[in-house]
Amino acid sequence: DGGITQSPKYLFRKEGQNVTLSCEQNLNHDAMYWYRQDPGQGLRLIYYSQIVNDFQKGDIAEGYSVSREKKESFPLTVTSAQKNPTAFYLCASRLALQETQYFGPGTRLLVL
Amino acid sequence: GDSVTQMEGPVTLSEEAFLTINCTYTATGYPSLFWYVQYPGEGLQLLLKATKADDKGSNKGFEATYRKETTSFHLEKGSVQVSDSAVYFCALSDRSTDKLIFGTGTRLQVFP
Repeated sequence: DGGITQSPKYLFRKEGQNVTLSCEQNLNHDAMYWYRQDPGQGLRLIYYSQIVNDFQKGDIAEGYSVSREKKESFPLTVTSAQKNPTAFYLCASRLALQETQYFGPGTRLLVL
Repeated sequence: GDSVTQMEGPVTLSEEAFLTINCTYTATGYPSLFWYVQYPGEGLQLLLKATKADDKGSNKGFEATYRKETTSFHLEKGSVQVSDSAVYFCALSDRSTDKLIFGTGTRLQVFP
């Protein structure tokens, strides 16, 4: 089955803890994206990567980090510097020559 | 910069009613336009898209026409069902940055 998987579905973070959200795709897509969604708001771009071993900051990158060591994987780490991490996190990907982004099912991050 | 404005929700309708969700955009170029749908607790799914002026995107009974003269991409459906209850996002592609810019979303609630 081709698609985008995100894990875990729910994630709990303690104060001062770093947590990593997984995003994997087997669509052979080139570009991958991380968005944050807060209630009643649109999606805000955190980081994106157009090719392996390269990524760019989005609009709200502070307190987050990413890596892109493999084409199919784009993990997002929410660091302790992110003071308000509670949100729904969405990963997306697309082919290089197409504009349409396809989304994973999301991870909901909650702070204990 | 480029932006998308959607009508405030929630939109509440009875089953079989006609649906319109307004979307207008501001862009320096000629972006592609998208409607995505998000069901509760899930990621976004592409509903339809249009890539140039006067194009009509359609899917599952939903339609939207790319109107350059009014910078609009309103979503319509002739007869909504309870299963259409979801949040609908309008988006445009910024071709200079390969990013999608989203509106804040409009919640649709359809009652039997």
